[in-house]
Amino acid sequence: GNSVTQMEGPVTLSEEAFLTINCTYTATGYPSLFWYVQYPGEGLQLLLKATKADDKGSNKGFEATYRKETTSFHLEKGSVQVSDSAVYFCALNPGDTDKLIFGTGTRLQVFP
Amino acid sequence: DTAVSQTPKYLVTQMGNDKSIKCEQNLGHDTMYWYKQDSKKFLKIMFSYNNKELIINETVPNRFSPKSPDKAHLNLHINSLELGDSAVYFCASSQGGQSDTQYFGPGTRLTVL
Repeated sequence: GNSVTQMEGPVTLSEEAFLTINCTYTATGYPSLFWYVQYPGEGLQLLLKATKADDKGSNKGFEATYRKETTSFHLEKGSVQVSDSAVYFCALNPGDTDKLIFGTGTRLQVFP
Repeated sequence: DTAVSQTPKYLVTQMGNDKSIKCEQNLGHDTMYWYKQDSKKFLKIMFSYNNKELIINETVPNRFSPKSPDKAHLNLHINSLELGDSAVYFCASSQGGQSDTQYFGPGTRLTVL
């Protein structure tokens, strides 16, 4: 079946620290991969995506590379800000049905 | 202009009642979705519609009935509300397709007492 596994949170960092949030997936075909972010009290916003192996998605200083050999799509940022505090969701669209399958979400807390 | 809007934002009701949540998108998308987010933040697809036609019904109880009067609207009606229905419900839309971005509404927090 199709599933997404994310690291447990919360992840607590000081401002300007390096961020990695791990995401691995299981899929029967060739999924598209997404990172969504949910700020407190808001809906989900797309952060970045990658649609085929070795693609790198990037936005607002965040990056993730679609690694088919390790079935991973880890999210990284070189220097986090307090405003990055949110819940981050890794997701896949398997393609056989048009739906997003989400990981459990990882809460990021950044302190000044 | 809000891309995907939902009403109401908050809904508090008693067990056994019937309630509806409305969703509208002004992006011109063909596909709309309902997702449920539980208290642990876990998100799961409930339904999707493409151009008013039901495409996905993800083993949701019959008490939940989506209705799409046109491709810009997808409403969710819930009969005989139960405590376990308490959650945040998100509407989303996309052009449809594996690589297309789904755009989410702000969510409706439903609390069943």
